[in-house]
Amino acid sequence: EVHLVETGGGLVQPGGSLSLSCAASGFTFSNNAMSWVRQASGKGPEWVSAITGTSSRTFYADSVKGRFTISRDNLKNTVTLQMTNLRAEDTAVYYCAKVSSSGYYHMDVWGKGTTVIVSS
Amino acid sequence: DIQMTQSPSTLSASVGDRVTITCRASQGVSTWLAWYQQKPGKAPTLLIFEASKLESGVPSRFSGSGSGTQFTLTISSLQPDDFATYYCQQYHSFSLTFGGGTKVEIK
Repeated sequence: EVHLVETGGGLVQPGGSLSLSCAASGFTFSNNAMSWVRQASGKGPEWVSAITGTSSRTFYADSVKGRFTISRDNLKNTVTLQMTNLRAEDTAVYYCAKVSSSGYYHMDVWGKGTTVIVSS
Repeated sequence: DIQMTQSPSTLSASVGDRVTITCRASQGVSTWLAWYQQKPGKAPTLLIFEASKLESGVPSRFSGSGSGTQFTLTISSLQPDDFATYYCQQYHSFSLTFGGGTKVEIK
């Protein structure tokens, strides 16, 4: 069974940094792109970032470009979202999601999410 | 970025009703569109991809159609487990974008 577990969320002050991690199991990790999607309370999902299976390409939403960095370790089956210069509007539940094995960027498995709160 | 607009934002329906949700893209996305279901406090789950292809394990009462800029998600006979919020997502181009959601409520 495919399983994604996010960790690393918490309370951070504006301007601070946080690193989220996603541990994957149940599939050939290196064969799949991975994505991060966030959802503020009461709002719809917002795509944040994605990375190809070989890390050859990374993609970012304009709202996080230059502040967030996505990376992956195919030996440890983990994907990481390094977040810097955090703002109040980054407060959300952050989901790790597996991109379809087809290579097209719909997300067929999601983790349960980890909560990030940016507040002083 | 491609904007995704869903309608209605809320829909009240009864068990057994046929329900249709619409998603419109601000520019053509071919059939690169997915539909997700989300229940309170849970992550979204994939229902439909490539506009009309049913994800494995999803009941056949769910169906999707459309291409270009207009898409629909149809639930042929609403079941108690289907009361949830539904989102469309385009993956024609980055940035990936989601619709604002349609909440299906009990009438």
